[in-house]
Amino acid sequence: TQLLEQSPQFLSIQEGENLTVYCNSSSVFSSLQWYRQEPGEGPVLLVTVVTGGEVKKLKRLTFQFGDARKDSSLHITAAQPGDTGLYLCAGARDSNYQLIWGAGTKLIIKP
Amino acid sequence: EAGVAQSPRYKIIEKRQSVAFWCNPISGHATLYWYQQILGQGPKLLIQFQNNGVVDDSQLPKDRFSAERLKGVDSTLKIQPAKLEDSAVYLCASSLDWGLGEETQYFGPGTRLLVL
Repeated sequence: TQLLEQSPQFLSIQEGENLTVYCNSSSVFSSLQWYRQEPGEGPVLLVTVVTGGEVKKLKRLTFQFGDARKDSSLHITAAQPGDTGLYLCAGARDSNYQLIWGAGTKLIIKP
Repeated sequence: EAGVAQSPRYKIIEKRQSVAFWCNPISGHATLYWYQQILGQGPKLLIQFQNNGVVDDSQLPKDRFSAERLKGVDSTLKIQPAKLEDSAVYLCASSLDWGLGEETQYFGPGTRLLVL
């Protein structure tokens, strides 16, 4: 079974701090997606990374796909309370395009 | 563009009772997914439809769970009889066309089920 491991599982920091969360696997993915899920809602896609080594920026969020396409990171600069949520990564397999989901990082930004 | 609709949003039942959830995907999306998300975990795929055909139901507990998408549009997921461990959020998602590699999934708000 291919697994995506996310770390840390839980992170609580003060507004204005920087943070990085990780998504790691021993398997290669054709692409990797990051979602944010707020309480009582479904996950919402933030970004898709496709190329090994790719870096994408979304305002204060920076996403990186590992060179070998086995891992990814999400870095948030100057975190704000609105960044609070569950961050999920999901990798797509070449063979059938189905997504393998991580367990998520629960992020709380305190004002 | 309207998103994925799900109902009900919340359901409380007693164990051994039956329950059904409904999902209406984004118009024109060929692929529909049902996920189970237990508190503190990522979504677990229960079943994937491509139009009205089943692509993958390998993780669906078929002794108690069933799902259908008869006309290739909306879908229902049923649990009969429910167990305590079925307490979870049931998420429906759709994507444009899984068969073409369009794997971006759009999620509904989910149905939160509590089995007592």
